[in-house]
Amino acid sequence: GNSVTQMEGPVTLSEEAFLTINCTYTATGYPSLFWYVQYPGEGLQLLLKATKADDKGSNKGFEATYRKETTSFHLEKGSVQVSDSAVYFCALSDPAGGSYIPTFGRGTSLIVHP
Amino acid sequence: GAVVSQHPSRVICKSGTSVKIECRSLDFQATTMFWYRQFPKQSLMLMATSNEGSKATYEQGVEKDKFLINHASLTLSTLTVTSAHPEDSSFYICSASMTGPVATEAFFGQGTRLTVV
Repeated sequence: GNSVTQMEGPVTLSEEAFLTINCTYTATGYPSLFWYVQYPGEGLQLLLKATKADDKGSNKGFEATYRKETTSFHLEKGSVQVSDSAVYFCALSDPAGGSYIPTFGRGTSLIVHP
Repeated sequence: GAVVSQHPSRVICKSGTSVKIECRSLDFQATTMFWYRQFPKQSLMLMATSNEGSKATYEQGVEKDKFLINHASLTLSTLTVTSAHPEDSSFYICSASMTGPVATEAFFGQGTRLTVV
């Protein structure tokens, strides 16, 4: 079956530090990959996505590249801000695998200090 | 992007009463919607898949008689927590996807914070 593995948090950084949140996946087909962000007390928002191998998703300074050879989709940002503090979820959707149900990782909490 | 609206955002109810949560896709038709439960500082737990015009598919361990799901139209799914108890207090989130040959992202509602007192 499909699965998503994320690094455990919390990740604590100072403002302007470099961020990496690791995400690896297993899937039966050729999934699309997503990063979602959840701010405190809110629902999830799509941050970025990639639908095929070697695609790079980017948004608000965040980037992630779909690496089929390593089955990874690591999230990066060159310089984090306090406002980036949130929980980040890696997810996949694999309709060719027979299900449109998104599969989520456990989430990684990011805390950015001034 | 597509918008999913969830209502109410917060609700407090007495133990033993029922609470209904609505999930609407505002600008697209969602044949399938998903209901999740999220415990503090934890990931999303899929409760059920809601299919328009048919019975919901519940995940293992989720009581279908306690968490009633109705998908009355292509834009509305409801989750009713029946005879609520304090342990049902949680953050409930719905989502919908536009299905097709290429997977698209899931669009999420704002979530509902349920507190049972």
